[in-house]
Amino acid sequence: AQKITQTQPGMFVQEKEAVTLDCTYDTSDPSYGLFWYKQPSSGEMIFLIYQGSYDQQNATEGRYSLNFQKARKSANLVISASQLGDSAMYFCAMRETGGSYIPTFGRGTSLIVHP
Amino acid sequence: DAGVIQSPRHEVTEMGQEVTLRCKPISGHDYLFWYRQTMMRGLELLIYFNNNVPIDDSGMPEDRFSAKMPNASFSTLKIQPSEPRDSAVYFCASSLGPYGEQFFGPGTRLTVL
Repeated sequence: AQKITQTQPGMFVQEKEAVTLDCTYDTSDPSYGLFWYKQPSSGEMIFLIYQGSYDQQNATEGRYSLNFQKARKSANLVISASQLGDSAMYFCAMRETGGSYIPTFGRGTSLIVHP
Repeated sequence: DAGVIQSPRHEVTEMGQEVTLRCKPISGHDYLFWYRQTMMRGLELLIYFNNNVPIDDSGMPEDRFSAKMPNASFSTLKIQPSEPRDSAVYFCASSLGPYGEQFFGPGTRLTVL
């Protein structure tokens, strides 16, 4: 069964607008971490933001914020004020801390920012 | 600080040849992961190490694949013999502790002809 689901294979957004990339996860472990990574066309995987399952507040890192809804098991990435350089693949990932710590990645969402 | 270092960045080889991919994790990180990325299968975890010890290699596709971590600053992924279906981008990543975010290397793009 899929542990991480990213339902949007592709997203388009106008420059300077905000965009939300969806991620839902499945776990019975009460303790876990959620991560988002960016993969531009150059290929490297860049860590963006982390949310722990016990964190009380939504994580933020600059223009990135994580809309964490624990009851819904969703961890959506919000990018504010999109820039052309935000065009990339975005991957959601989870690490369950009660088990083997094996990280699980979603299939990714391709984001294209239009000028 | 230097990030995760991988070499080579690109490798083109012929079917049947041995391929060795190398990785130097971030100093102080105690977890090291090897991934393979293809369009068809996405990002797959092949194996990971904790304190140089292989913990889970269930993602290694076949006996043709092997990985070692002789010390905290070096790991190799070897494919012998290589096949065209092994063509992919291979990433190494490291993290501090079991809960930490993973930092990825630039990847090795492998093409097996």
